[in-house]
Amino acid sequence: KAGVTQTPRYLIKTRGQQVTLSCSPISGHRSVSWYQQTPGQGLQFLFEYFSETQRNKGNFPGRFSGRQFSNSRSEMNVSTLELGDSALYLCASTAGTGAAYGYTFGSGTRLTVV
Amino acid sequence: AQTVTQSQPEMSVQEAETVTLSCTYDTSESDYYLFWYKQPPSRQMILVIRQEAYKQQNATENRFSVNFQKAAKSFSLKISDSQLGDAAMYFCASAVPQGGSEKLVFGKGMKLTVNP
Repeated sequence: KAGVTQTPRYLIKTRGQQVTLSCSPISGHRSVSWYQQTPGQGLQFLFEYFSETQRNKGNFPGRFSGRQFSNSRSEMNVSTLELGDSALYLCASTAGTGAAYGYTFGSGTRLTVV
Repeated sequence: AQTVTQSQPEMSVQEAETVTLSCTYDTSESDYYLFWYKQPPSRQMILVIRQEAYKQQNATENRFSVNFQKAAKSFSLKISDSQLGDAAMYFCASAVPQGGSEKLVFGKGMKLTVNP
């Protein structure tokens, strides 16, 4: 079965712009989580959605937001981009309780802010 | 709060030999899960092995096994018969169940090089 699909794979944006990243989970998975990966901070949790509701949120400014659609696909939006937002953004999906079922990750979107 | 520490940023191993990657964690919870993920240059995080804290038996997946020392809060990964394809970044992570919603807390990662 198809894995977690993230689009686009690469993105270059200018400071001040906004960006939307997309994540399609494995079929049947209703939970989608987002992580930011940078060389300095490592992997940090952004937020998690389940059945179109945000259940958990990490410690990121309000410029970072997300949503989930009825088909479980999720989007993440970053407004007013800053240079420090350059990172690999990974999403992960799970069937239910992630810790028990395991998380499946996509290959990420590499965002570069110039 | 959960923390995960990987103190070795890099390691190397000869093909066919055994290597052990170390990880320590801290949590005040009694119910939690521990993971090792592998991230090759393709960037996708791949689950290597998972351990439930309430299980005393160490998890094993083919050439991969863990040494889970709950009292010491240690969770090391042993890779036997190392292969060139094992070369990657390895991340140790923990998750505490929170009513169905959990987040993974990752260590900083360790780069494993496999020499032919």
